[in-house]
Amino acid sequence: DMKVTQMPRYLIKRMGENVLLECGQDMSHETMYWYRQDPGLGLQLIYISYDVDSNSEGDIPKGYRVSRKKREHFSLILDSAKTNQTSVYFCASSGTTNERLFFGHGTKLSVL
Amino acid sequence: GDSVTQTEGLVTLTEGLPVMLNCTYQTIYSNPFLFWYVQHLNESPRLLLKSFTDNKRTEHQGFHATLHKSSSSFHLQKSSAQLSDSALYYCAYMGYKLTFGTGTSLLVDP
Repeated sequence: DMKVTQMPRYLIKRMGENVLLECGQDMSHETMYWYRQDPGLGLQLIYISYDVDSNSEGDIPKGYRVSRKKREHFSLILDSAKTNQTSVYFCASSGTTNERLFFGHGTKLSVL
Repeated sequence: GDSVTQTEGLVTLTEGLPVMLNCTYQTIYSNPFLFWYVQHLNESPRLLLKSFTDNKRTEHQGFHATLHKSSSSFHLQKSSAQLSDSALYYCAYMGYKLTFGTGTSLLVDP
């Protein structure tokens, strides 16, 4: 069963709190991604991971960091969350960078 | 750098009329991969079409697109819109990373 699972689905945090978004996939995909989706801006790449401990910044990495210690797990961390980080965050994975992306169902984060 | 442009933010159509959503790209790569993803309300994006072959029509679920390298375009088309086609459509380009356009919302009215 090909699946990307994100936890949690919804999250409310106060400004300055730390945030951990988790993502798992059961397809042994090498490449994993974190995107945020905002109206009018589309899907913006935060970080890409090519394998365990092989992570690269995307287009908007500022304010975020990631961790990939196992191929099937990819975490997004917000240290001291800001209100402008309120968004829907999507994790995705692919077998190679030229293959289709499989997306998780998203995490809706509100930072108050 | 690489970029993908979707000129329409919102397209509103009456059911049964043809659909055309525009997508152009800029890249230094000579062999780009182009994709269309569709996202229905409260769902995650999923792949609709992909292509890397110049001037070859790609079809799926009634939609089709042709990659034209000469004009750097990959427009999405459908001959007759259905109510269930209402969704957000993303064009995406793969160079060294996957770059998404800003998306086009398609609303199909009865």
